[in-house]
Amino acid sequence: GIQVEQSPPDLILQEGANSTLRCNFSDSVNNLQWFHQNPWGQLINLFYIPSGTKQNGRLSATTVATERYSLLYISSSQTTDSGVYFCAGFPGGATNKLIFGTGTLLAVQP
Amino acid sequence: EAGVAQSPRYKIIEKRQSVAFWCNPISGHATLYWYQQILGQGPKLLIQFQNNGVVDDSQLPKDRFSAERLKGVDSTLKIQPAKLEDSAVYLCASSPGEGYEQYFGPGTRLTVT
Repeated sequence: GIQVEQSPPDLILQEGANSTLRCNFSDSVNNLQWFHQNPWGQLINLFYIPSGTKQNGRLSATTVATERYSLLYISSSQTTDSGVYFCAGFPGGATNKLIFGTGTLLAVQP
Repeated sequence: EAGVAQSPRYKIIEKRQSVAFWCNPISGHATLYWYQQILGQGPKLLIQFQNNGVVDDSQLPKDRFSAERLKGVDSTLKIQPAKLEDSAVYLCASSPGEGYEQYFGPGTRLTVT
């Protein structure tokens, strides 16, 4: 089956720093999503980004579907950005099963 | 617009007991999903409903897990009997249809002792 690798697996930032998280797919995917799972376990939708670039405040995301990767940019990080970031997408073809990446654990220190 | 609702938020049971989780999706969303998330891993799909019909239950351990969405709105997921390895967070999600953006509820954290 399709593999979704995220990097880095863990990241520690000082408040105010910028970071880039990466999501690589072993095969083509459709309708990629980025989620933030906060320390209480809630999965929060960040972006629905099949292709191109979107921005929402301090966050932006870029998906290059032809090269099977997506990037999530976090600028001016805050302690509330801490948690696990997941990308997920639907494998191309008949299945509509959302496949999640391995996750990036982010800790933002004050 | 109200989000996906789930209850209970936490549940502790002993192995071999039964447990049920409830989910109310976003109004108008035809597709409902149940995921299992084990600590340190990404969510794994257990079952997908389209209205009140099952679309995919290939990863549902059917000897102990069951789920229903009788009226095409609310859904329940049941485990009977529970095993220690069922300790996880159970997440419900909904979307307007297959392949669309999914929205997740707060989850139910299950501990089996």
